[in-house]
Parts: sequence; C-alpha cells; structure tokens
Amino acid sequence: DAGVIQSPRHEVTEMGQEVTLRCKPISGHNSLFWYRQTMMRGLELLIYFNNNVPIDDSGMPEDRFSAKMPNASFSTLKIQPSEPRDSAVYFCASSLNGLNTEAFFGQGTRLTVV
Amino acid sequence: AQSVTQLGSHVSVSEGALVLLRCNYSSSVPPYLFWYVQYPNQGLQLLLKYTSAATLVKGINGFEAEFKKSETSFHLTKPSAHMSDAAEYFCAVSDKGSSNTGKLIFGQGTTLQVKP
Repeated sequence: DAGVIQSPRHEVTEMGQEVTLRCKPISGHNSLFWYRQTMMRGLELLIYFNNNVPIDDSGMPEDRFSAKMPNASFSTLKIQPSEPRDSAVYFCASSLNGLNTEAFFGQGTRLTVV
Repeated sequence: AQSVTQLGSHVSVSEGALVLLRCNYSSSVPPYLFWYVQYPNQGLQLLLKYTSAATLVKGINGFEAEFKKSETSFHLTKPSAHMSDAAEYFCAVSDKGSSNTGKLIFGQGTTLQVKP
C-alpha cells in the first residue's frame, strides 16, 4: 500500500487566491482527518470524516475553509480566499474505525500564502 | 473530554544517554494512548500504542512506554539515544466520543536533540 497520499507537497500562493489541498486515504480505511500544524499552535484537528460523512468540523477556523469527501478514496480541503495566516503544514490522516487503531499520516502539504 | 500534556517542549541528551519524554493524559475512561515521531519535513509515524493490554509497550527503534494509571502517565523511554533519534515526538489519546471513530488528540510535541 502506498500509504496516505497528499498533493501538492508544496504550495505557494498569493493572498486572496483559492487553494485546494488533496488527499487519498489508505484503501479500506473509513475515517479521514485533516490536521494543521504550525509552530504557534502545534497540531490542530480541523475536520474529520467517517464513511465519507463529516462528523466534526468544529476545528475549521472560519468559513473560508471547507472540506469535502465525495467518495471513500478522495478528500479535498479548500481555502478561499487564502490569507498569510493560513501558512502552515496541512496533514491528512486515515484510519480504520475503532478507538485502538492508529491514524496513518500523509507527508503533508506545506502551504505558504504571500 | 480527553487531553494530553507533554512536559518539556525541548529535551536534549547526549548520544548513548537515556531518553525520557513525558506525557500525562486526562481521561474519564480507560484511554488508548499513542506515541508518534515526526522527522523533519515528514509526516507523523507511529512509534507505539497502548490499548489496555500490557502496561509496558514496546515500539519501533528501541522505544518503549509504560502506562501508569495511578500517575495518569505514558512516558516514552529509550535506554540509549542515537543521533538518528533527533526528531519531534507527539503523545496522543484517542477521543472516545460517541462517534467511535478514533479521533486523536495530540499533545504539543517535544523536540528531542541528540548531542554527539
């Protein structure tokens, strides 16, 4: 298995532009998580899906952020419009249902908004 | 709600010395606990996990952690540090919410520096 695949690995965009981050979870996993990592705030859970349904989006910073999971093998995190304070590394992770199962992380997307 | 506290954002040890990274958790029910490692410019990789079986858990790369309910702790140790252990380490607890999806709550992370 190739693991969780995220694209792009790096993204540099100008303030005000739309940014779309992509994630392909591990085949067979039914939970998917989007995390944001910054020096100031550490790892923050933005949103997670179970069986393609958003369960908890309370971590999404504001309406500029949206996430979708149209099928079991694909998810997107969109920021529109982007702002410099959105600069961070965004991680996608997936897991099988269950409390004792670990989440598997992608390599992350490093977003820089200038 | 579950939470995790990692004591010490930076830990520095000499090569060959004992590594001890501290993690305390808060949970009203028996927790599931995890340690992850993050190397520079990489994603998080699982080191080990506690799932209510043996209280001493052995993981990869010579790391182990002991679950101590009385102290609500899950400290990570390694007898002898290697230069390649330099990384950031995260403790996490599985959130036992009604959705039962295994959402992980992470600590703030501890950066381990290994000096030659």
